Amino acid sequence: NAGVTQTPKFRVLKTGQSMTLLCAQDMNHEYMYWYRQDPGMGLRLIHYSVGEGTTAKGEVPDGYNVSRLKKQNFLLGLESAAPSQTSVYFCASSRQNTGELFFGEGSRLTVL
Amino acid sequence: AQSVTQLGSHVSVSEGALVLLRCNYSSSVPPYLFWYVQYPNQGLQLLLKYTSAATLVKGINGFEAEFKKSETSFHLTKPSAHMSDAAEYFCAVKETNAGKSTFGDGTTLTVKP
Repeated sequence: NAGVTQTPKFRVLKTGQSMTLLCAQDMNHEYMYWYRQDPGMGLRLIHYSVGEGTTAKGEVPDGYNVSRLKKQNFLLGLESAAPSQTSVYFCASSRQNTGELFFGEGSRLTVL
Repeated sequence: AQSVTQLGSHVSVSEGALVLLRCNYSSSVPPYLFWYVQYPNQGLQLLLKYTSAATLVKGINGFEAEFKKSETSFHLTKPSAHMSDAAEYFCAVKETNAGKSTFGDGTTLTVKP
């Protein structure tokens, strides 16, 4: 059971570099999400998607872009990385309207 | 906008003692409520969820939570803590007509031998 898979799991970037985090789910879920987790701040929603071809902004969208070209994939892009984007990023998916989230194992990003 | 408050960022109990982790929410409509657990260097996994059926919800690993609408609370309990329960716990709320969930800041549970 693969569930939700995130790649890469670790990445170190220099300020100004760009990168893309890939999330793939094999559960045929409609909804997908990107969160960031920082100490003492819980999980904050960056962007989410309620279906293929649709995306919406979450709580902290600035500096990030997303795309959902295929139902099973949700990409998170950083066009010009900043040290403030150093964090652990989690992708999650859910069935339409049930609310229960299935999480990936996280991607640890460090921006120097 | 919905919000979730978890009282106490750190809770420490002795092995065998009662675990009580507090969660209060604000929501304008009846919500779905969840508790998730995160072990070190792992993603979150669902402990239990309330979706307007029974107000007392039983989850995995002996945890349960009670939905109290009058108090807007959804506290998590376990009668007897095990060392393996040491982890971070997150309460989350999702309004039934919304596509996204809102999380509390988390409570780190430490279990002392």
